[in-house]
Amino acid sequence: EPEVTQTPSHQVTQMGQEVILRCVPISNHLYFYWYRQILGQKVEFLVSFYNNEISEKSEIFDDQFSVERPDGSNFTLKIRSTKLEDSAMYFCASRGPGLAGGPTDTQYFGPGTRLTVL
Amino acid sequence: GEDVEQSLFLSVREGDSSVINCTYTDSSSTYLYWYKQEPGAGLQLLTYIFSNMDMKQDQRLTVLLNKKDKHLSLRIADTQTGDSAIYFCAESFMFSGGYNKLIFGAGTRLAVHP
Repeated sequence: EPEVTQTPSHQVTQMGQEVILRCVPISNHLYFYWYRQILGQKVEFLVSFYNNEISEKSEIFDDQFSVERPDGSNFTLKIRSTKLEDSAMYFCASRGPGLAGGPTDTQYFGPGTRLTVL
Repeated sequence: GEDVEQSLFLSVREGDSSVINCTYTDSSSTYLYWYKQEPGAGLQLLTYIFSNMDMKQDQRLTVLLNKKDKHLSLRIADTQTGDSAIYFCAESFMFSGGYNKLIFGAGTRLAVHP
């Protein structure tokens, strides 16, 4: 069964450093997303991406964040200068033709990257 | 603004039914979802319901939707220890440009005991 994959599973970085979180969406999907979940809080939408550009973004997604689909299979989230409050689980999701008869609205999530900023 | 609320904790005995409840605010949501998160794992899609349906059954899972009250529930029949996890309710919010995002509740931690 096709699935979304993410690497690394855990990333530890020093405050102020740049990090790149990587995702490989399901291959025939067209819409890509990043969400984050700060420990003990709700899963929050960060950004959606379609046709090689950002379609929507939340207030959280400021100039420190960027997304890219560099090669037609990977989808990356870059944080330029990490802050302590960026520590969270980051989930990638993709949407497209539904799997197993689901609606095209359905988003399928990867296992997440736990980012720890020290 | 949009919001999804769930009770935070539910404890059931193995073999009993579990009912996890959720309320949401966006009446224009087309789909509502239940995701499951096991410890250390990602968000696994469990089931979904289209907003013009009242009920959907999928093996041990039954989803009930009361659109008037904006209330969604997930019933798990014959709950097993392997069902212990956090269950997230989510609504699909459509932006004006036709794109969507999911709005999640805080998650209900289901504990199944013998």
